[in-house]
Amino acid sequence: KAGVTQTPRYLIKTRGQQVTLSCSPISGHRSVSWYQQTPGQGLQFLFEYFSETQRNKGNFPGRFSGRQFSNSRSEMNVSTLELGDSALYLCASRQSTDTQYFGPGTRLTVL
Amino acid sequence: AQTVTQSQPEMSVQEAETVTLSCTYDTSESDYYLFWYKQPPSRQMILVIRQEAYKQQNATENRFSVNFQKAAKSFSLKISDSQLGDAAMYFCACLLYNFNKFYFGSGTKLNVKP
Repeated sequence: KAGVTQTPRYLIKTRGQQVTLSCSPISGHRSVSWYQQTPGQGLQFLFEYFSETQRNKGNFPGRFSGRQFSNSRSEMNVSTLELGDSALYLCASRQSTDTQYFGPGTRLTVL
Repeated sequence: AQTVTQSQPEMSVQEAETVTLSCTYDTSESDYYLFWYKQPPSRQMILVIRQEAYKQQNATENRFSVNFQKAAKSFSLKISDSQLGDAAMYFCACLLYNFNKFYFGSGTKLNVKP
C-alpha cells in the first residue's frame, strides 16, 4: 500500500495570507490527524477527522480549520498567517483504533 | 490530565553499544496503547514499536525492545547494537483507546557516535 502523502512539501507565504495543505491517507484508513511540529513546542495536536467528521480538536485558534472528504482525503487551512505559524505540519492516518502512520510533512515558512 | 514525559532531551551512544530511552505516562484509563516513533533528521516519522497495555509481555522488534512497567507507568525503549542510522528524534506516545486521542512526549534526540 502507498503511504500517507502530503502536498505541497514546502510552502512559503507572507503574513496575512491563507494556506491550504492536503493529506491523502493510506488506503482504507478513515482517520486523519494533523499535528504542528516546531523546535520549541514539539508535536502539537491540531485535530482529527474520522468519516468526514471532526472527532477531536486541540487547543489552536479558529484560524486553523480542516475538513475531510468522502474518500478520506483531508485538507487543513490556516487563515491570516502569523510568523509563529511557521512549522512542519504533519498528517497521520490510521484505521479506527490503531497505530498512526505519518506523512512526510509540509514545511510552511511565513515571512 | 493525560501526559507523556520524556525526561532526556538528548542522549548519545557509541556505535554498537546499547542505549535506553525513558518515557513515563500518566493516565487513569485502563485501555491504552503505547508507541515509540523515530524521526530521522529531515525525514519522515516512522513507527518503531507498539505495546498494548493489556499485554504483560514486552514488545520487541529486532534490535528494539521495550521495558513496560504498567504499575510504574513507565515505557522505556532499549536499542541494542546501535547503528549510525539510529540517530534521530524519538517520540514516545500513548493512545487512549476510549477517547481515540494520542498524547506525545517532547522527544529525545539520540546521537550515535562512530
